[in-house]
Amino acid sequence: NAGVTQTPKFQVLKTGQSMTLQCAQDMNHNSMYWYRQDPGMGLRLIYYSASEGTTDKGEVPNGYNVSRLNKREFSLRLESAAPSQTSVYFCASSRDRTWDGYTFGSGTRLTVV
Amino acid sequence: AQSVTQPDIHITVSEGASLELRCNYSYGATPYLFWYVQSPGQGLQLLLKYFSGDTLVQGIKGFEAEFKRSQSSFNLRKPSVHWSDAAEYFCAVDVTGGGNKLTFGTGTQLKVEL
Repeated sequence: NAGVTQTPKFQVLKTGQSMTLQCAQDMNHNSMYWYRQDPGMGLRLIYYSASEGTTDKGEVPNGYNVSRLNKREFSLRLESAAPSQTSVYFCASSRDRTWDGYTFGSGTRLTVV
Repeated sequence: AQSVTQPDIHITVSEGASLELRCNYSYGATPYLFWYVQSPGQGLQLLLKYFSGDTLVQGIKGFEAEFKRSQSSFNLRKPSVHWSDAAEYFCAVDVTGGGNKLTFGTGTQLKVEL
């Protein structure tokens, strides 16, 4: 089925470890996004990529890096994980802008101990 | 700073009853407004959106929302709730004129009693 695929679905890290969350979409969308979801705080934008080759910071970029590998793939990297990064991470894509509507992946539940 | 507020954290309704979920935004002009729904363990799905025109917009799954400029509100409604509507609902705004920054509210968890 067409959509946004995130891997892994679950991950436990120790403080200080690094990891990369992978995201791929097969809808030929230009824009991709990374959000984190925390209880009582809704979804907060970490980084986004308006088009292949560009990335921009969102509301909570500290502690994260991103790579728009090609039009399909947008990865999120935690260089040195901290307990405050325990969260559910969602990748989304849109044809171009917010008005086009976002398609979300099913999320990655990350726990940092 | 612009923000979006969903005053109700949890709402419980009986199946077949009507539903209204509240959303207020703070922004000088009319932003792009959205409602998304998140079923358990899933990503979010777009229900409907508004920017201009008719202030009552229809969405998927029988949902509608009404924009009220005077109240800075964009409330989501459904005349008759089904058990499958149990989910978390998020109001979202884009104040960048249709850019790439969607700001979500904190969500309202809907429980449906049979």
